[in-house]
Amino acid sequence: AQTVTQSQPEMSVQEAETVTLSCTYDTSENNYYLFWYKQPPSRQMILVIRQEAYKQQNATENRFSVNFQKAAKSFSLKISDSQLGDTAMYFCAFIHLPAGTALIFGKGTTLSVSS
Amino acid sequence: DTGVSQDPRHKITKRGQNVTFRCDPISEHNRLYWYRQTLGQGPEFLTYFQNEAQLEKSRLLSDRFSAERPKGSFSTLEIQRTEQGDSAMYLCASSTTGQAGNEQFFGPGTRLTVL
Repeated sequence: AQTVTQSQPEMSVQEAETVTLSCTYDTSENNYYLFWYKQPPSRQMILVIRQEAYKQQNATENRFSVNFQKAAKSFSLKISDSQLGDTAMYFCAFIHLPAGTALIFGKGTTLSVSS
Repeated sequence: DTGVSQDPRHKITKRGQNVTFRCDPISEHNRLYWYRQTLGQGPEFLTYFQNEAQLEKSRLLSDRFSAERPKGSFSTLEIQRTEQGDSAMYLCASSTTGQAGNEQFFGPGTRLTVL
C-alpha cells in the first residue's frame, strides 16, 4: 500500500522557536520524490521543499530543512525561527519516478505560530 | 498573477443537481491534475491530463464524474446527480512536462457543498 502518515494532527509553537513535523511513508518503489506542501488558511497550497529519494543530502530552503531517512521511510520537516506567517496546514507527500502522476498525501499537520 | 485559477470558488447545490467546475492552469503547463480534499484529510488524486488526453483516472472518479480538457488548455470537472458525499474542496494543479518530481502548482480550489 502507498500511504503517508503524519502522526501529529496539531502543533503549536512560539515565534522564533524551532519546530519539527513528522512524516513516515510506505512504498515498495525505490525511486520517488518527497514533498512538503503548505496550505495557509483559505489560501492555495504551495510547495515548501522537496527531496529526491536517491539523494542522501538533506534538502534545505532558507528556514526549512528536512531530515530524510530512506531506510526508515521517514521525512520530517524542521522549521527554524518560526514566523506568524508559517501558520498553516502542512502536508507531506510523495510521487513515484519516473512516470508517477498522482501525489500521495498525508492527512496533514496544523501548525499554529503565536507571538 | 499567472497562477492556477479555479472558478467558482464556492458552490452550494441541492442533492441531485449537476455542477461543473473550471480550472485554468499556468499557460505553459502541459500537465493538469484534479484532486479532492475532504475536511481533515489530505488531497486525493482524481484524474490527470497531459495536453488534451486524459491519461489516468482514480477509482474515486465514479461514473457520475467526468473531466475534460479540450484543446489542452482549461479543464472542466462535472459531477452529475450530486450526493452529500460529494461535498469537498476540489483542487486543480498543473505542472510542466518532464520528470514526475516537477512541482505541481495548485489553484485555490472550489468548495462544493451539497445540501
